[in-house]
Amino acid sequence: DTGVSQNPRHKITKRGQNVTFRCDPISEHNRLYWYRQTLGQGPEFLTYFQNEAQLEKSRLLSDRFSAERPKGSFSTLEIQRTEQGDSAMYLCASSLAYRGGYTFGSGTRLTVV
Amino acid sequence: GNSVTQMEGPVTLSEEAFLTINCTYTATGYPSLFWYVQYPGEGLQLLLKATKADDKGSNKGFEATYRKETTSFHLEKGSVQVSDSAVYFCALSFDPQGGSEKLVFGKGTKLTVNP
Repeated sequence: DTGVSQNPRHKITKRGQNVTFRCDPISEHNRLYWYRQTLGQGPEFLTYFQNEAQLEKSRLLSDRFSAERPKGSFSTLEIQRTEQGDSAMYLCASSLAYRGGYTFGSGTRLTVV
Repeated sequence: GNSVTQMEGPVTLSEEAFLTINCTYTATGYPSLFWYVQYPGEGLQLLLKATKADDKGSNKGFEATYRKETTSFHLEKGSVQVSDSAVYFCALSFDPQGGSEKLVFGKGTKLTVNP
C-alpha cells in the first residue's frame, strides 16, 4: 500500500473559479478526514466520512465547499467560486475506525490569485 | 471548547542541544494527547502519544508526559540532530487511538537544528 495519496499537489486558480481535489485513502481504511491548514496555523477539521456517509461537517465548511466519497473509497473536495481566503493546504487523512490512528497524505496546496 | 496552545516558534538550536516545546490544552473531559511531526514536503506523522494522566509517550528519543494537574504535554529531546528539523504539532483527541475522532491541533512549532 502506498499510503494516502492526494492530487494535485499544487493548484493555482483565479478567484471565482471552481476547484476539485482528490484523496485516495489506504484501501482498507473506512474513515476519511479532510483538514485545512493555513499559513502559520495548525490543521483545522473540515469534515469526515465513514465509508460513504458524511458524518460530521465543521462550521468552517461553508456552502461553497462540498465533499463526497461516493463508493466509500476515494473522496473529492470541491470549492466553488474560490476566494483568496481559501488559499491553504488541504490535508486528507484516513483511518480504520477504533483500530488505530490517522495516516495523513502530503496535502494539496491551493493558491487563489 | 477544546483547544491546544503551543509555544511560539521558530526555534533554532545547535546539534546536540536540549529541546523543549511547550504545549498546554483546554478540554472538557479527559482527552488523549499527541505530538505530530511534519517534515518538509511530507504529510503529518504521529511522533508519540499518551492516553491518560501521568502516561509518558516516547519515540526516536523524544518524550512527553501527560500532566493533568498542569494540563500540559511538553515535548522534550535530550540531544537534537539536524534531521529533527521539522514542524511539530501538539494535538488532542477523544479517541485513545487517535483515528476515530477529529484532532484539535496547536499552531505548530518550527524547529531548525544547525550542524
